[in-house]
Amino acid sequence: ILNVEQSPQSLHVQEGDSTNFTCSFPSSNFYALHWYRWETAKSPEALFVMTLNGDEKKKGRISATLNTKEGYSYLYIKGSQPEDSATYLCAPNNAGNMLTFGGGTRLMVKP
Amino acid sequence: EAEVAQSPRYKITEKSQAVAFWCDPISGHATLYWYRQILGQGPELLVQFQDESVVDDSQLPKDRFSAERLKGVDSTLKIQPAELGDSAMYLCASSLGSNRLTDTQYFGPGTRLTVL
Repeated sequence: ILNVEQSPQSLHVQEGDSTNFTCSFPSSNFYALHWYRWETAKSPEALFVMTLNGDEKKKGRISATLNTKEGYSYLYIKGSQPEDSATYLCAPNNAGNMLTFGGGTRLMVKP
Repeated sequence: EAEVAQSPRYKITEKSQAVAFWCDPISGHATLYWYRQILGQGPELLVQFQDESVVDDSQLPKDRFSAERLKGVDSTLKIQPAELGDSAMYLCASSLGSNRLTDTQYFGPGTRLTVL
């Protein structure tokens, strides 16, 4: 089982603040990295799938970067809004067959 | 927009009882996954189906858990007997199955199980 670490575990920011979190994973046998957003009482929602070293993806105010050589990915949120409050999960695919989820970063945005 | 359906949304049971969860994936999705998420941790894969065949069940506690996807469409996950440590969120997800490395998994809302 892969060791996937996400930091911080939780984060409180004010509306309008920009923020970022980290996902660390083993760099060996890397295939892809998935980011999901999970709002309370809803289904986890896919944000990005990233495969190449140096990849950068963007969706509205949310963007992500990938470093496969050192085994990390950053997720950035620009100008956080209360509706961004959720748990953000990363899941690398290192074995070619299954995702291993990190423990998530819980973001709370105060109006 | 098509969604993954799960039922029930909540289940409370006593230890040693049997419980079953149902999942209906997005139409046309060949791959179906069952995950267990314990509070404060990320989802952990229990079993993965490709059509009606099990691809990976290495993390499924087979002495008490079973899963089936008889016609390659909907699926049932059963626990018998339930133990206190089984209290968790059980998530079902599905994907097209065209590229297992990059396929997006679409999740259902989950079943919250509480074992008393």
